[in-house]
Amino acid sequence: NAGVTQTPKFQVLKTGQSMTLQCAQDMNHNSMYWYRQDPGMGLRLIYYSASEGTTDKGEVPNGYNVSRLNKREFSLRLESAAPSQTSVYFCASNPTGGRPQHFGDGTRLSIL
Amino acid sequence: DAKTTQPNSMESNEEEPVHLPCNHSTISGTDYIHWYRQLPSQGPEYVIHGLTSNVNNRMASLAIAEDRKSSTLILHRATLRDAAVYYCIPGWGYGNKLVFGAGTILRVKS
Repeated sequence: NAGVTQTPKFQVLKTGQSMTLQCAQDMNHNSMYWYRQDPGMGLRLIYYSASEGTTDKGEVPNGYNVSRLNKREFSLRLESAAPSQTSVYFCASNPTGGRPQHFGDGTRLSIL
Repeated sequence: DAKTTQPNSMESNEEEPVHLPCNHSTISGTDYIHWYRQLPSQGPEYVIHGLTSNVNNRMASLAIAEDRKSSTLILHRATLRDAAVYYCIPGWGYGNKLVFGAGTILRVKS
């Protein structure tokens, strides 16, 4: 019953530090996504992976890298964190060809 | 991507129906209309989607205008648990590459 699991739930970083956000899904979904949500705003797509071994840029990819480690896991890396990357990060997944996206509960990231 | 217009906020009484409107006048002929909601401190969750015909599921109903330039999400009996931000999202297919706007904040009064 886990669905989409994100770790960590909270993190505070200093400017310039690096960090990897982890996401895993147990629904055998082919597609996975990373979004960010700034206060009072909707989610914006950072990167997505349509299937294992492929990744593509979304609306706001600058400053981020991703790795689709296997079918279950999709990680998001901040190489040199900046205060503008303070946000809540959500991972989502869905089967290839569509169907609703299932979201994790988010990682709340603050960069000082 | 089609632009959407939703009210910033709406208020409802518990146990009463709620109609959440969305204008999407630039929607393309192949775009579905998806609705998601986001409860406080949680990720979004799927509510319903449709293309042309009205749709019903256990959570809600979706009424789509004949010209597809607007739609209305209907919660038949609002509960306190329905208090959330509701997003109307036109998009290709069933839900890849969703583009979220600011949504409508729904407050439910007991």
